[in-house]
Amino acid sequence: AQTVTQSQPEMSVQEAETVTLSCTYDTSENNYYLFWYKQPPSRQMILVIRQEAYKQQNATENRFSVNFQKAAKSFSLKISDSQLGDTAMYFCAFMKHNFPGGKLIFGQGTELSVKP
Amino acid sequence: ETGVTQSPTHLIKTRGQQVTLRCSSQSGHNTVSWYQQALGQGPQFIFQYYREEENGRGNFPPRFSGLQFPNYSSELNVNALELDDSALYLCASSMGQNYGYTFGSGTRLTVV
Repeated sequence: AQTVTQSQPEMSVQEAETVTLSCTYDTSENNYYLFWYKQPPSRQMILVIRQEAYKQQNATENRFSVNFQKAAKSFSLKISDSQLGDTAMYFCAFMKHNFPGGKLIFGQGTELSVKP
Repeated sequence: ETGVTQSPTHLIKTRGQQVTLRCSSQSGHNTVSWYQQALGQGPQFIFQYYREEENGRGNFPPRFSGLQFPNYSSELNVNALELDDSALYLCASSMGQNYGYTFGSGTRLTVV
């Protein structure tokens, strides 16, 4: 069975600084996807960034980038130039490559606070 | 724009009752999944529907059931409610795994 672990329950960062959220996972699969989702107090889960395991290049989306280490089963999220609106719960998630779409397995989350 | 709408936003039910939660997905999203998120936890997969057929189920008892309709809407039904069923229930839909999932804002269910 796959598991996802986020070892940082809470983190804080000053506005405009950079922060990195950690995530490790365990799987015997070779084809899978990894995601970072953001959940603000509005409760909606918002996709931040996605990584396909067969792609060696790390995904980037504007201020958000990942460090994907497949052999180490590590998938960290770096947020550059942090903004107050980045304050939220962040969840790392794993999905096995499966048609028509697999289940997402989430970590426990990291609560990020961006301070002015 | 969320594209996935859930109703109601909040609900209070009594132990032993039954509840139906609804989700309206975007056109073309023929895969819908439901998740249960307890307070302070990550979401847990309940089940998934593809073209109106159940296509995968998590570790939830049979009193959790669902339906998916041709108009891209879906339902989550929970019978014989228990106090531990109190949680945020999230609906997520997709055109296919390569497109990722779009989540709704959830229904907060409280069982008393």
